[in-house]
Amino acid sequence: GAGVSQSPSNKVTEKGKDVELRCDPISGHTALYWYRQSLGQGLEFLIYFQGNSAPDKSGLPSDRFSAERTGGSVSTLTIQRTQQEDSAVYLCASSLGSGLLMDEKLFFGSGTQLSVL
Amino acid sequence: QKEVEQNSGPLSVPEGAIASLNCTYSDRGSQSFFWYRQYSGKSPELIMSIYSNGDKEDGRFTAQLNKASQYVSLLIRDSQPSDSATYLCAVKGGTGRRALTFGSGTRLQVQP
Repeated sequence: GAGVSQSPSNKVTEKGKDVELRCDPISGHTALYWYRQSLGQGLEFLIYFQGNSAPDKSGLPSDRFSAERTGGSVSTLTIQRTQQEDSAVYLCASSLGSGLLMDEKLFFGSGTQLSVL
Repeated sequence: QKEVEQNSGPLSVPEGAIASLNCTYSDRGSQSFFWYRQYSGKSPELIMSIYSNGDKEDGRFTAQLNKASQYVSLLIRDSQPSDSATYLCAVKGGTGRRALTFGSGTRLQVQP
């Protein structure tokens, strides 16, 4: 597609439920990133994919968080047993991922606003 | 010490003035530096990238990089009310994490 697509745009869930957030990166971008942004805060790195592999998962805050990517394209971020502190905007970004400095630019989706009640 | 530090602001400048936004980073091996603009309720969008010491100009925007001092700055000339947003500095570290590390952003207010 023309840009990074995320769904749903908004998700309201009850504490303890599982949620799945989806990201469809720009066609041809091999690198995919998940960040989250709490209200008024900066971007917190969660996980990075190169192709279908995740060489850096260091930002996942707990084992309730997991992510996968299939076909070198779509990625799903899953949060199990959601807690109120998980409420944030979850942003997905992609880049060409060629390894060249000029290809490190990230292009962001519009995000998923997650609210845990 | 945070990896990427920015003054949270708000930085208030009158319309037509030059806005100067600053960022410092801790990883001396960092190689790529970016400025993103984020309007309230929207996603970050890339404004500038810079990879070598010195100045890089693009329209009203100039990015400045000084690797020896570990700082990067963004100048916005002829500031407009539409420039009012949060500006995020992002750094690609030299080692370890492959993803960009973002500062917490500086909120800019351009007064008409």
